[in-house]
Amino acid sequence: DGGITQSPKYLFRKEGQNVTLSCEQNLNHDAMYWYRQDPGQGLRLIYYSQIVNDFQKGDIAEGYSVSREKKESFPLTVTSAQKNPTAFYLCASALQGAVQPQHFGDGTRLSIL
Amino acid sequence: GQNIDQPTEMTATEGAIVQINCTYQTSGFNGLFWYQQHAGEAPTFLSYNVLDGLEEKGRFSSFLSRSKGYSYLLLKELQMKDSASYLCAVRDNYGQNFVFGPGTRLSVLP
Repeated sequence: DGGITQSPKYLFRKEGQNVTLSCEQNLNHDAMYWYRQDPGQGLRLIYYSQIVNDFQKGDIAEGYSVSREKKESFPLTVTSAQKNPTAFYLCASALQGAVQPQHFGDGTRLSIL
Repeated sequence: GQNIDQPTEMTATEGAIVQINCTYQTSGFNGLFWYQQHAGEAPTFLSYNVLDGLEEKGRFSSFLSRSKGYSYLLLKELQMKDSASYLCAVRDNYGQNFVFGPGTRLSVLP
């Protein structure tokens, strides 16, 4: 079955630590996205990528980094510079240039120890 | 700039009809999408509009007026399981990006 897989489901970060959230898709989608969601809030865009080896900052990119070395993979690193990382992180993908919706992974819930 | 607005919360009764509004101002337009999100879960796609008018999918319908920057999601025959947040998102032409509204939290009461 085609879909998007995020791992881990739950993640804990210590002070000063970088952590990486995984996102893999087998839908052959060109575009991939990372969103942050705080309790009771909507989705805020962190980074997005429309093609391999290229990505763009979203509205809240500070303290985060990404890479897009393969079409299927778009990992997100939450760096120690992100002082308030506790949130629900959602990865999504979509067909480029088509009026099609995004497909979402099940999310990763990140908390600070 | 990009701005999408939705009511924060709505309450309705089981079996009733509810309309959730969404207004938008975005740089370009390439479709408006509605998603349902239950607490702690990922959003799931409900409906989309590209042209003006009404799109019907079972108990859910979505309407779009591009000239007014306005859409609504209509839910009929409400069920308890419809209690969730409903997210409105616009795909722009330029970055092929999706801009999300804040979401409307719907509570369905017996």
